Amino acid sequence: GAVVSQHPSRVICKSGTSVKIECRSLDFQATTMFWYRQFPKQSLMLMATSNEGSKATYEQGVEKDKFLINHASLTLSTLTVTSAHPEDSSFYICSAEDREGEKLFFGSGTQLSVL
Amino acid sequence: GQQLNQSPQSMFIQEGEDVSMNCTSSSIFNTWLWYKQDPGEGPVLLIALYKAGELTSNGRLTAQFGTTRKDSFLNISASIPSDVGIYFCAGRLQGGSEKLVFGKGTKLTVNP
Repeated sequence: GAVVSQHPSRVICKSGTSVKIECRSLDFQATTMFWYRQFPKQSLMLMATSNEGSKATYEQGVEKDKFLINHASLTLSTLTVTSAHPEDSSFYICSAEDREGEKLFFGSGTQLSVL
Repeated sequence: GQQLNQSPQSMFIQEGEDVSMNCTSSSIFNTWLWYKQDPGEGPVLLIALYKAGELTSNGRLTAQFGTTRKDSFLNISASIPSDVGIYFCAGRLQGGSEKLVFGKGTKLTVNP
C-alpha cells in the first residue's frame, strides 16, 4: 500500500508554544489529506480535511485558528497547534487518499504532550 | 455523530481460535475499509471492499461487504499473538462526502 510519513512521532512542549506536525505522502500525490485526533481508548475523530492549494475544511467544533492546516504541495500537509495547552495533549494522525480516492492510508501518528 | 455500530467492543480469545467482528449501520455505504491499530501507531489498512456481497481475503483475514450495503464483517482465522490490537471498520456513505465514518473499534486480546 501507499506510504504516509508523519513527523514527529512524539513531542513534549511547554504550554503556550506552537507545535508543527508534518504529513507526507511518500510514493503518491495526495490532493486530499485528513487530520484526526484520537483520545485514549477511543476512535478517530476527524478534525479537518486538507485540500492542496486551498483552505482546509474544518469539522464542527474544531477551532481553525487553533489548528492551522497548510497543504502547500501534493505531498505535504502540516498541522500547527498554536499556543498549545494541556487540553490539546492527544494523539494526532494524518491520512491521505490514494489516486483513485478509494483507500485511505494513515501516518504513524504524533503523540503531543503539553506540560 | 457516530453512524457505525461496531461489535464486539472487546474480545479475549485463545491463540488458534477464530475471531469475528462486524459493523452495522442504518445507512447505506459505498465502501468499507478495515484497519488494525497497534498502540502508539496509526491505523494500517487491512482490507478494502467496494461492492455489495464482495468477499475479500488477506492472508488469515476475510472481510465481506454486506448485501444490504449496511454492514460488513471481518473474520480472523487461527489467531496468533501478533493479531492483538484494535480493529476499526470505516465506511464511506452513499451520496456522502469523501470523509470516512469510523466504528468505535474492537480491541482484540489473544492469549498464547
